[in-house]
Amino acid sequence: QVRLVQSGAEVKRPGASVKVSCKASGYTFTNYYIHWVRQAPGQGLEWMGIINPSGATTDYAQKFQGRVTLTRDTSTSTVYMELSSLRSEDTAVYYCARAYPHFDYWGQGTLVTVSS
Amino acid sequence: EIVLTQSPGTLSLSPGERATLSCRASQSVRSNYLAWCQQKPGQAPRLLIYGASTRAAGIPDRFSGSGSGTDFTLTISSLEPEDFAFYYCQQYTSSPYTFGQGTKLEIK
Repeated sequence: QVRLVQSGAEVKRPGASVKVSCKASGYTFTNYYIHWVRQAPGQGLEWMGIINPSGATTDYAQKFQGRVTLTRDTSTSTVYMELSSLRSEDTAVYYCARAYPHFDYWGQGTLVTVSS
Repeated sequence: EIVLTQSPGTLSLSPGERATLSCRASQSVRSNYLAWCQQKPGQAPRLLIYGASTRAAGIPDRFSGSGSGTDFTLTISSLEPEDFAFYYCQQYTSSPYTFGQGTKLEIK
């Protein structure tokens, strides 16, 4: 069965970077794009970017341009989301989701807390 | 950017009642690439409907989606206790892949 398993919760200082992983299983990794979406406490869902695991091409939301980097490792079927220059407003749960093209499977979420 | 506006913000109903949730797009959603997802507190979103009207695998038939172009609707024909949650519409036709702000479906 399709599964997306994300790395564990992180606590970071303002100005630091965080790298969250999303390990895919149960399907051919390079056949489906992966999205990243975040959700601040008590807020809605916010799209951050997408990566094509086959060619590693990416597309980012303008809000995150220059601060977010999506990469992948085809040997381990894992996608990574790195967010830099963290500030308190980046405290959120970060999700990966498979693009079918609709978002059919989601990871369990990773809480990133930014606090001094 | 396609802006999605959901209404109402909160819907208060009782089990057994019919729920109608609306999602309006600022421009036409090509190919009806419009999905609905459900989210409960502390959980990841779960896909309910894609292609505006196709139920995802395992979704009960009390959930139905309709609409095209700029106006879309999610209907829950008879509410079960487990249906009280947040609902989001989302377009996946073009980047940025936007979400509506959500509708909270609460028990009256």
